[in-house]
Amino acid sequence: EVQLVESGGGLVQPGRSLRLSCIGSGFIFGDYSMSWFRQAPGKGLEWVGFFRGTVYGGTTEYAASVKGRFTISRDDSKSIAYLQMNSLKTEDTAVYYCAREHAVVTAAFDIWGHGTMVTVSS
Amino acid sequence: QSVLTQPPSVSGAPGQRVTFSCTGSSSNIGAGFDVHWYQQFPRTAPKLLIYANNYRPSGVPDRFSGSKSGTSASLAITGLQAEDEADYYCQSYDSSLSAYVFGTGTKVTVL
Repeated sequence: EVQLVESGGGLVQPGRSLRLSCIGSGFIFGDYSMSWFRQAPGKGLEWVGFFRGTVYGGTTEYAASVKGRFTISRDDSKSIAYLQMNSLKTEDTAVYYCAREHAVVTAAFDIWGHGTMVTVSS
Repeated sequence: QSVLTQPPSVSGAPGQRVTFSCTGSSSNIGAGFDVHWYQQFPRTAPKLLIYANNYRPSGVPDRFSGSKSGTSASLAITGLQAEDEADYYCQSYDSSLSAYVFGTGTKVTVL
């Protein structure tokens, strides 16, 4: 079964850091670009950033709201993607999802994890 | 914050057809970027429902269909069923923002 599982969420104080993990299974992780998304309580979906697969250059891009604070990395040998979140703000409180980009259709995300909740509060 | 605009809610009786829009601009939908649609039930992850404007992933019922014209896209649900009650989001790419962008979301209610 193709699936993604996130972990690492929790309660963190403003200004602190947190690292989320996303483990893939059932597919060749390195062949795919991976993205992170988030959804604040009661709000819509927001793209956070992506890490292109190695065959696509292995580059990263980030949303303006997190650029300079968040970093995406990946270890294809372990089928894991990471989201390192620094200088966290209360407005970063959200459920964070990782998702796999469709193999053929750019910018369509066909497999999503169940999400992990991050709460930034003092 | 959302770049793509959707109606907050639509409703219909079982068996009816509902349709709703996703309005963008010349830097996203109007620039030719594909539109994708996601279905999301409460407290669950989004699910890809329509990709590349009008294609359905395997397993998605054919009562769901998508279309795109100009700076807008639409999702139609024919033969509405109780299990279709969910939130629906459109998504595309915006060249001005260099970002993937989502619609504001539409809640579908089955009366």
